[in-house]
Amino acid sequence: DTAVSQTPKYLVTQMGNDKSIKCEQNLGHDTMYWYKQDSKKFLKIMFSYNNKELIINETVPNRFSPKSPDKAHLNLHINSLELGDSAVYFCASSPPGLAGEEQFFGPGTRLTVL
Amino acid sequence: TQLLEQSPQFLSIQEGENLTVYCNSSSVFSSLQWYRQEPGEGPVLLVTVVTGGEVKKLKRLTFQFGDARKDSSLHITAAQPGDTGLYLCAGEVRGTDKLIFGTGTRLQVFP
Repeated sequence: DTAVSQTPKYLVTQMGNDKSIKCEQNLGHDTMYWYKQDSKKFLKIMFSYNNKELIINETVPNRFSPKSPDKAHLNLHINSLELGDSAVYFCASSPPGLAGEEQFFGPGTRLTVL
Repeated sequence: TQLLEQSPQFLSIQEGENLTVYCNSSSVFSSLQWYRQEPGEGPVLLVTVVTGGEVKKLKRLTFQFGDARKDSSLHITAAQPGDTGLYLCAGEVRGTDKLIFGTGTRLQVFP
């Protein structure tokens, strides 16, 4: 069984379009995240949700809107896509706890904006 | 701005060689994690170190957390082709669930 799954795996779209990426975790975790990994493999946190509530928003443009319908899902909607949005987007989840809880990552969604 | 610098950025070695990857910051972290990422996949946790000066071993991999909890190192003994991948350190910001990821080290081990 896949622990953290994302769809789609690949997304190619034109500049200006609106697109969504879906994420689901079946680990029973309370916290979910979205990360962006650029072409240099630098992984940067974008958002974090705990029990459907936004707890981290890392100065991401408001064209990016995360939505958590329940604690097992965290979707990412992107409006008016720009060339600079091209990257691999990773969803992750972690259990509640003290310092150092492992984050479980999905397989990533490679977004290419043309 | 918290930043974790990893060195080297790229490393190509022959099977059987030893190597060390460094992860440095001016910030103090509650804990530090090391992940390995293979092409087309998400990062997978290797180890978490929490206490300053802590050393953890995972088979041929040895991880150390600096005494001041600002830096860490990963040492691989007798590297194998299966060790090839992107190694990422990640520091946990105190009092949050937020991880700051390092700049990454791409390791290639040739048979």
